[in-house]
Amino acid sequence: AQRVTQPEKLLSVFKGAPVELKCNYSYSGSPELFWYVQYSRQRLQLLLRHISRESIKGFTADLNKGETSFHLKKPFAQEEDSAMYYCALRETSGSRLTFGEGTQLTVNP
Amino acid sequence: GAGVSQSPSNKVTEKGKDVELRCDPISGHTALYWYRQSLGQGLEFLIYFQGNSAPDKSGLPSDRFSAERTGGSVSTLTIQRTQQEDSAVYLCASTLGQWNTEAFFGQGTRLTVV
Repeated sequence: AQRVTQPEKLLSVFKGAPVELKCNYSYSGSPELFWYVQYSRQRLQLLLRHISRESIKGFTADLNKGETSFHLKKPFAQEEDSAMYYCALRETSGSRLTFGEGTQLTVNP
Repeated sequence: GAGVSQSPSNKVTEKGKDVELRCDPISGHTALYWYRQSLGQGLEFLIYFQGNSAPDKSGLPSDRFSAERTGGSVSTLTIQRTQQEDSAVYLCASTLGQWNTEAFFGQGTRLTVV
């Protein structure tokens, strides 16, 4: 069965510092990977997906199949990046979307 | 409405009572998910509906939990004989299809069992 691991429940950085939120997965096939974000008092929403190879709000994530990782990175964190971040995986067969435990990011002024 | 709608927003119930949580997905979305969000536990998958296929119920924690989706649209999650450990935020999400599509989430139902 697929599994998504986010080893850090809490992550705190200062404004302007680089930030990396870790995500590792276990799945025998070729997965679809996503990052979702939940800002305070807002709905959970998609941040980015690996297949699009996009940069959203300065965040990027690269799928590393060798290391089975999909870490989320931003070179210069902003206070408005403070939120809960979830890594998610979907099997290519199109079944359920599995989420990690989440990482609460706090960007301090 | 434009988004996924869940009702009620908050529900306080006594231990042992049954509760029903409702989810209205985005019109035309074929897939619907239920998750449970607990402090420190992340998002726990409960059940997944896709079109007319049999639902994936593998995440339901006990036989007290059940869900149905009528007419491929509205879904109801039912928890029978609620326990205090059922207290959590229950989230519903829908997607347009199966493949690489964005999941849109509702605002959630906060369930408190006293």
